[in-house]
Amino acid sequence: GENVEQHPSTLSVQEGDSAVIKCTYSDSASNYFPWYKQELGKRPQLIIDIRSNVGEKKDQRIAVTLNKTAKHFSLHITETQPEDSAVYFCAASKGTGANNLFFGTGTRLTVIP
Amino acid sequence: DTAVSQTPKYLVTQMGNDKSIKCEQNLGHDTMYWYKQDSKKFLKIMFSYNNKELIINETVPNRFSPKSPDKAHLNLHINSLELGDSAVYFCASSPSGGNEQFFGPGTRLTVL
Repeated sequence: GENVEQHPSTLSVQEGDSAVIKCTYSDSASNYFPWYKQELGKRPQLIIDIRSNVGEKKDQRIAVTLNKTAKHFSLHITETQPEDSAVYFCAASKGTGANNLFFGTGTRLTVIP
Repeated sequence: DTAVSQTPKYLVTQMGNDKSIKCEQNLGHDTMYWYKQDSKKFLKIMFSYNNKELIINETVPNRFSPKSPDKAHLNLHINSLELGDSAVYFCASSPSGGNEQFFGPGTRLTVL
């Protein structure tokens, strides 16, 4: 099965700085890579995703890059704000239909005001 | 206008008991899932189910069984609860041909 590794497990940044979270995956057949944000006590929510036919995707202050050859993808958050503080999960999946997501181990991001 | 809902929100029970967690989605999605999030916040897929197939993560004990009375519901039944079953269980759903999964609010299960 798919194995997704995520680093770092915790990350603290000053407000306004950038944050980068990195993930690697094992199954070359995986073709969909979402990122979820989970605030304390809340449900995970999708913030951005990328498919294997795209190398980079940006949405305001967040961006995701994908290197299919190396099987790794990254989340970039610029101009961080205190409300960005949360646990972020990367995930990988393949195919369509019933589409199990294999999650990374999560990164707890703390943005210090 | 709750999209994916779960009941109960909290469940405290004794070892050895049998319990169920209910999940409902009003999004018209075809596929539903159950995830387990342990104390270290690791999120692991347990099951995915649509009207065609049930996919079970091989690491899930057979004490866990999903039951789907209709397309909008996927309940999780757990037999002979163990201490290690304590976790937050999330239900999710996704549309046919789509990838985004919408999560429910979670059910915190505590086994004493």
